[in-house]
Amino acid sequence: LAKTTQPISMDSYEGQEVNITCSHNNIATNDYITWYQQFPSQGPRFIIQGYKTKVTNEVASLFIPADRKSSTLSLPRVSLSDTAVYYCLVTNRDDKIIFGKGTRLHILP
Amino acid sequence: DAGITQSPRHKVTETGTPVTLRCHQTENHRYMYWYRQDPGHGLRLIHYSYGVKDTDKGEVSDGYSVSRSKTEDFLLTLESATSSQTSVYFCAISSGTSGYNEQFFGPGTRLTVL
Repeated sequence: LAKTTQPISMDSYEGQEVNITCSHNNIATNDYITWYQQFPSQGPRFIIQGYKTKVTNEVASLFIPADRKSSTLSLPRVSLSDTAVYYCLVTNRDDKIIFGKGTRLHILP
Repeated sequence: DAGITQSPRHKVTETGTPVTLRCHQTENHRYMYWYRQDPGHGLRLIHYSYGVKDTDKGEVSDGYSVSRSKTEDFLLTLESATSSQTSVYFCAISSGTSGYNEQFFGPGTRLTVL
């Protein structure tokens, strides 16, 4: 599985758009990019998954450039409740996935 | 929320004692996983199951065993607990291979080994 690199932590303010970038230089042809969110004292929760270009759902957008060596999770107009750890994963047909340490996002009032 | 429960939710035990954690699902999902989460390490996969009686090791399987005799239950056993196994344990389920399919996580079990 391709290794991912993402910032350890980020701070932002309520109402701002937050972009978390993930690097995955060794991504393979059949790999997908998947993001999970984890609130304190809870298990992770799936946010979004994509293969290329742009994916959007009710929670976030995922931007993937043509070379797929990086991706950006975009959270529009964050609130205090978006304070969480965000995990970027590169996944494929394998039965298991590897979580890294994630990005600790702290939203300030 | 996905129908997934873990028991117990909290446990304190002593070094050398056996411990079994239970994960129960009502979704009839084929895949089940056990992770541990420690500060500075994120989530690490211990064992997983891709069907009844079909299990495989994850990245940190030493000191742990698992069993799955029914689709709905996945048990994690620490044969002889050690202080290094103090952690928060999460169970997860998935309808298909985790790479392409969403994993749903349980509420977690906080285990303290004294």
